Amino acid sequence: DVKVTQSSRYLVKRTGEKVFLECVQDMDHENMFWYRQDPGLGLRLIYFSYDVKMKEKGDIPEGYSVSREKKERFSLILESASTNQTSMYLCASSFDSTWPQHFGDGTRLSIL
Amino acid sequence: GESVGLHLPTLSVQEGDNSIINCAYSNSASDYFIWYKQESGKGPQFIIDIRSNMDKRQGQRVTVLLNKTVKHLSLQIAATQPGDSAVYFCAELTGNQFYFGTGTSLTVIP
Repeated sequence: DVKVTQSSRYLVKRTGEKVFLECVQDMDHENMFWYRQDPGLGLRLIYFSYDVKMKEKGDIPEGYSVSREKKERFSLILESASTNQTSMYLCASSFDSTWPQHFGDGTRLSIL
Repeated sequence: GESVGLHLPTLSVQEGDNSIINCAYSNSASDYFIWYKQESGKGPQFIIDIRSNMDKRQGQRVTVLLNKTVKHLSLQIAATQPGDSAVYFCAELTGNQFYFGTGTSLTVIP
């Protein structure tokens, strides 16, 4: 079974801090994704990556950046956290962009 | 952007009854659809998928129906059990990006 592991289940940070969310997958998948999940809005794509050192903006990239130095690891970075970035963040991976995505259990991030 | 998943936000069913969860999508060019289940405190889990060249697909206790004419997708769960309580949402593939619905919260009443 595909395992997507997000390093933190819960995180509390302060406004203005630089925040790192880490995600690791163990199935040698080429594609990795970061979403945020907010009530009534569904999953919204922040960034994705089709290969190491490659990144593409999703639908809501503002205020975020990503890093993919190794195939199995995809990091989401909040450069200067703001309260409107309080959300559930979900990482996913897939064999191909048109194949089902496998999700981690999420990081619930609170920015105070 | 895409508009997916005009779900009813909540659904309650008696244990043992069948459940039907609906999803509407907007892009007639979408050619692949997935249903996910998300239990409390967990990430979304793949349940079943269907391609646009099919109108029905069955799994274990679940059936997905696709009506391309009215751009509607449904998930049927047979003999609903307490372990089926979760949020269910659909995903639609347009081009090479998935768009996700907002979900229906299913509660199973013992």
